[in-house]
Amino acid sequence: DIQMTQSPSSLSASLGDRVTITCGASQTISSSLNWYQQRPGKAPKVLIYAASTLQGGVPSRFSGSGSGTDFTLTISSLQPEDFATYYCQQSYITPWTFGQGTTVEIK
Amino acid sequence: QVQLVQSGAELKKPGASVKVSCKASGYTFTTYNIHWVRQAPGQGLEWMGVINPSGGETSYTQKFQGRVALTRDTSTSTVDMELSSLRFEDTAVYYCTREIAALGGAFDIWGQGTMVTVSS
Repeated sequence: DIQMTQSPSSLSASLGDRVTITCGASQTISSSLNWYQQRPGKAPKVLIYAASTLQGGVPSRFSGSGSGTDFTLTISSLQPEDFATYYCQQSYITPWTFGQGTTVEIK
Repeated sequence: QVQLVQSGAELKKPGASVKVSCKASGYTFTTYNIHWVRQAPGQGLEWMGVINPSGGETSYTQKFQGRVALTRDTSTSTVDMELSSLRFEDTAVYYCTREIAALGGAFDIWGQGTMVTVSS
């Protein structure tokens, strides 16, 4: 199975901050990497698919980059609704696997 | 609108089985694979398996092989997930979700989640 490792596991940030979350795959997954946001008590929501494509309706302050084994999710200016947990997920080969999650908290 | 609606919460004893349903609406049911993902309390997301609603083909992660079964009913646009030989550690929220090939295999629509509690 492909292991997905996110860093950091949690972070504290202020409104307006630029936030970067990294995701590493244990083997190459090309660009088959997706990012999800999950708020407490809610189902995940896809933000970015195919490493860098913004899902429709997602604010442009979210961006994704990377290919192969190393990927990044960036929030350019943190807003109140962005405090949540973020997961990366590879869709390159079954079993699909998720990172362990990164919780973004208010500083 | 496009949605996946899941059945309600379940309370089961260890060793029992549970079946969770996921009803699709607002799109052609046989077009998109349906996956199941679970989340234990306070934990991350764990992929369990996938079914192709058109032909019924399934694939499961090794961890659940032999304990999980996904089935579909095209007449009701429903996918069922049955998990057997339940253990305390199977306590989790179970989600069904739709895979979109055009989105690189990402999951664009999720059910509301079904809480399964395993307790003696």
